[in-house]
Amino acid sequence: AQSVTQLGSHVSVSEGALVLLRCNYSSSVPPYLFWYVQYPNQGLQLLLKYTTGATLVKGINGFEAEFKKSETSFHLTKPSAHMSDAAEYFCAVSGYSTLTFGKGTMLLVSP
Amino acid sequence: NAGVTQTPKFQVLKTGQSMTLQCAQDMNHNSMYWYRQDPGMGLRLIYYSASEGTTDKGEVPNGYNVSRLNKREFSLRLESAAPSQTSVYFCASSEAGRALYSNQPQHFGDGTRLSIL
Repeated sequence: AQSVTQLGSHVSVSEGALVLLRCNYSSSVPPYLFWYVQYPNQGLQLLLKYTTGATLVKGINGFEAEFKKSETSFHLTKPSAHMSDAAEYFCAVSGYSTLTFGKGTMLLVSP
Repeated sequence: NAGVTQTPKFQVLKTGQSMTLQCAQDMNHNSMYWYRQDPGMGLRLIYYSASEGTTDKGEVPNGYNVSRLNKREFSLRLESAAPSQTSVYFCASSEAGRALYSNQPQHFGDGTRLSIL
């Protein structure tokens, strides 16, 4: 069975600071991994995905994530936070015909 | 580009009432999903339909039924609503189909906010 753990239900950063959101996964097969963002009162939007090939994946809005098999991690980063990045972020791993989501990390950005 | 459309956006029910949440996608996707989102719980899968004509239970199916009406539409029914079903419900679709460990992402609607008194 697949599972996802997101470390920290809330992460606070200052505008312009590095954003690091942590995701660890468990999968019995080589995983496909996804990061989604959810703005208030909206559905989830795909930020980026890892399938195969390059382990550093670039997404929308300046976000990127690195797949590290040895650490079973897929952490999301952005070099410089913007106020508009404040949202909830979900990591997900593929399963049989479905995705398994983490519980989410709320990113708070202060001026 | 409508994507995934959910109706209604908001609903208030009394305990014991029934209701059907509607979902339609215009991307010709094979698979459709219903989730509920509760604070601190992430997204939990209620039911999914990997392909037209099939439905399967997810993590939290009790109290719900679904119908895959055609390739575009997937509805979720609460037969006798309970306060524990107060939640935000999301429908999603994907090209995945009945694929083991698909690399296809899911596309989400904007949700239905349901309160049961």
